[in-house]
Amino acid sequence: DGGITQSPKYLFRKEGQNVTLSCEQNLNHDAMYWYRQDPGQGLRLIYYSQIVNDFQKGDIAEGYSVSREKKESFPLTVTSAQKNPTAFYLCASSPGGEQYFGPGTRLTVT
Amino acid sequence: GIQVEQSPPDLILQEGANSTLRCNFSDSVNNLQWFHQNPWGQLINLFYIPSGTKQNGRLSATTVATERYSLLYISSSQTTDSGVYFCAVAGQGDSWGKFQFGAGTQVVVTP
Repeated sequence: DGGITQSPKYLFRKEGQNVTLSCEQNLNHDAMYWYRQDPGQGLRLIYYSQIVNDFQKGDIAEGYSVSREKKESFPLTVTSAQKNPTAFYLCASSPGGEQYFGPGTRLTVT
Repeated sequence: GIQVEQSPPDLILQEGANSTLRCNFSDSVNNLQWFHQNPWGQLINLFYIPSGTKQNGRLSATTVATERYSLLYISSSQTTDSGVYFCAVAGQGDSWGKFQFGAGTQVVVTP
């Protein structure tokens, strides 16, 4: 099946630990994105990448890091420097133009 | 960056009613999409519509790029239309690919 997968669906971590969220796509899309959604709010852009080995900061990049070593993969690391990491994280990809979203990962940090 | 405002923030409809959701944006855009977020959080693509008018079943959308707004029409609403509707835009030049989302319109359709 073609699409965007994110794993895991739910993730629990203790404060002070780094955690990496997975995003994989087999749509052969060039661009990939990471967003954060807090309850009752819209999506905010964390990082985006338009080609392999290149990525740009979005509006809320502090406390996050990414890599884009392969076209199909764009993992997001939530570091211990992120002050409020508990949120719903959504990954998207695009061939240039329309975005398509994965199912998301709900991260809870206690 | 581009500012995106959606209205109304909340909408309660009786099944069968029609409604219009609005998205205003502060600058010229290359991309504009409408999404429906279901109760499980999945974002479902409704329309990719940087300009013009499109229809898909009971839903239609119009973007007037020169006046910097887009409208999403829901006709004969059904309970399955409930959820949050988001507008997302990406501007020209340096902003290409950098999408901004509105805060969304929460729609509740009652039987």
